[in-house]
Amino acid sequence: QVQLVQSGAEVKEPGASVKVSCKASGYTFTSYGTHWVRQAPGQRLEWMGWITGGDGNTRYSQKLQGRVSITRDTSAGTAYMELRSLASEDTAVYYCARDGDGLQSWGQGTLVTVSS
Amino acid sequence: DIVMTQTPLSLSVTPGQPASISCKSGQSLLHSDGRTHLSWYLQKPGQPPQLLIYEVSKRFSGVPDRVSGSGSGTDFTLEISRVEAEDVAVYYCMQSVQAPITFGQGTKLEIK
Repeated sequence: QVQLVQSGAEVKEPGASVKVSCKASGYTFTSYGTHWVRQAPGQRLEWMGWITGGDGNTRYSQKLQGRVSITRDTSAGTAYMELRSLASEDTAVYYCARDGDGLQSWGQGTLVTVSS
Repeated sequence: DIVMTQTPLSLSVTPGQPASISCKSGQSLLHSDGRTHLSWYLQKPGQPPQLLIYEVSKRFSGVPDRVSGSGSGTDFTLEISRVEAEDVAVYYCMQSVQAPITFGQGTKLEIK
């Protein structure tokens, strides 16, 4: 079955960068895009951007443009999300999700804590 | 950005009774491809969101038929015909007609 497994929790200092991975299985990785969505404590879900399945093009939230990069390794069936210049407001659970009719499958989430 | 507004933000329902959540978008979610890109998710504590409904009214695999979606244009509704204890969650609507994808604030469903 479709499964997305994310890397583990991270604690980072302000100004640092974090890179979260999302390994896909159970489907042809390059046939579907991968979205990244984050959820700060008590807040609504926030879309960060996505990478398309076929050609690997990316599209980012304007709010995060310049700080976020989404990449992929097709041979490993893995997508990555890197967020730079972290601040306390970036403390959140980060999810990857597979594109399709709606966001059909989600990773388990990765807690990123930004604290000095 | 398309603003998604859900009401109510919380509701408390007796088991066996119906529940209804409204979602309004700031502009039409009808795409030029003829599909309306509105989906619904539930999120239980400590878990990722789960897809319930896509394209307004299509149930995702495994979703019980007591859960239904309706609406068009800018006004949408998620209905649960008979609430059960397992339905306790936060429900979100989402639009994907244009980037950035945006979500509603979430509606917390509790059992009386």
